[in-house]
Amino acid sequence: DQQVKQNSPSLSVQEGRISILNCDYTNSMFDYFLWYKKYPAEGPTFLISISSIKDKNEDGRFTVFLNKSAKHLSLHIVPSQPGDSAVYFCAASTQGAQKLVFGQGTRLTINP
Amino acid sequence: NAGVTQTPKFQVLKTGQSMTLQCAQDMNHEYMSWYRQDPGMGLRLIHYSVGAGITDQGEVPNGYNVSRSTTEDFPLRLLSAAPSQTSVYFCASSPSWGVGSPLHFGNGTRLTVT
Repeated sequence: DQQVKQNSPSLSVQEGRISILNCDYTNSMFDYFLWYKKYPAEGPTFLISISSIKDKNEDGRFTVFLNKSAKHLSLHIVPSQPGDSAVYFCAASTQGAQKLVFGQGTRLTINP
Repeated sequence: NAGVTQTPKFQVLKTGQSMTLQCAQDMNHEYMSWYRQDPGMGLRLIHYSVGAGITDQGEVPNGYNVSRSTTEDFPLRLLSAAPSQTSVYFCASSPSWGVGSPLHFGNGTRLTVT
């Protein structure tokens, strides 16, 4: 059973506009959420995270929103740039489990 | 600073062969882990280690062995390769487990089993 789901395999956005990537989870025990970005032939790199005690975290052009009641998080990228074209994975964990559970990934393409 | 180094980058095996995927990190990280990435499945945890001498199973451990004799190295052994093990394998490490310690990934090993 997929505990972390990214239901959109791909997303295409025009340069300069907002990109919104979504992620849903089923395990209410998750208390820490992360987004990773992956370019072809490279490993994923950490982008931004959020603890369950918060509902928003910002880092420059990247903002993550957490809606615990809906078990939903989203990543907003504003403004989108061509270098943002990559696969984005959301991931979740619980402190005690020492395991990170990943979604399937969403391929973001930024069009000039 | 090399970070997390995985070797080899590519490998082709025949069914039944065994091999070891190497992973080394030079950041003195306590936590290390192995993931496999398959289309439509995201990354799935195979095994992990919270320190030298300590390992545990992840989500998909069958067919794989690990050991952690040093802080730096965390090799993944395929005992008898099967076509279902065709995948891209990523090793990752972090200073410790928990909030504020995101994983640092290597660049992966692409394995094909025929």
